[in-house]
Amino acid sequence: ETAVFQTPNYHVTQVGNEVSFNCKQTLGHDTMYWYKQDSKKLLKIMFSYNNKQLIVNETVPRRFSPQSSDKAHLNLRIKSVEPEDSAVYLCASRVYAEQFFGPGTRLTVL
Amino acid sequence: GDSVTQTEGQVALSEEDFLTIHCNYSASGYPTLFWYVQYPGEGPQLLFRASRDKEKGSSRGFEATYDKGTTSFHLRKASVQESDSAVYYCALRVDSNYQLIWGSGTKLIIKP
Repeated sequence: ETAVFQTPNYHVTQVGNEVSFNCKQTLGHDTMYWYKQDSKKLLKIMFSYNNKQLIVNETVPRRFSPQSSDKAHLNLRIKSVEPEDSAVYLCASRVYAEQFFGPGTRLTVL
Repeated sequence: GDSVTQTEGQVALSEEDFLTIHCNYSASGYPTLFWYVQYPGEGPQLLFRASRDKEKGSSRGFEATYDKGTTSFHLRKASVQESDSAVYYCALRVDSNYQLIWGSGTKLIIKP
């Protein structure tokens, strides 16, 4: 049963454009995450958001920014995409030690 | 720093073969260990976890035993099926903020 929803499923864009990805969880969890999954399936955490506290992975370029309207939503904006941003972006929410993931948004940068 | 090592990037087996995916960790303190599975087109989902030495986690025919002595949490299944084709991640948590440290993932391919 899907409880973490992501839109869009796929997005193709050109270098320099701005993109936004949406994530909504219906589990009532307080903590949400954004991950980047590269073509080799490596998972890298980008942001975590808990009770309005944002924790940023220091390796994340500044063109990436999370946006949250409430604890059920955590969107991701990329200001000016680069070719190396092509990846699958996964949103997750957490309760205690378990993380629940959405199906991901696949970004292709031409 | 804390880390998780999965030595196999890809494993190819036939149906009914025995599966082992190796996971070794390095951590200060006493970590909780996890196995997650990611099916094609989906996000990872928790398979099971273990938090004490010699504790066995299991689900869907998969199992792993927490071994503090060898710092390992190897995933095993006696007889794999085509539906087990997926990417498997080992992960650990060592601190109270519940951040996970992920292994590099192992892609399991089952030939029918």
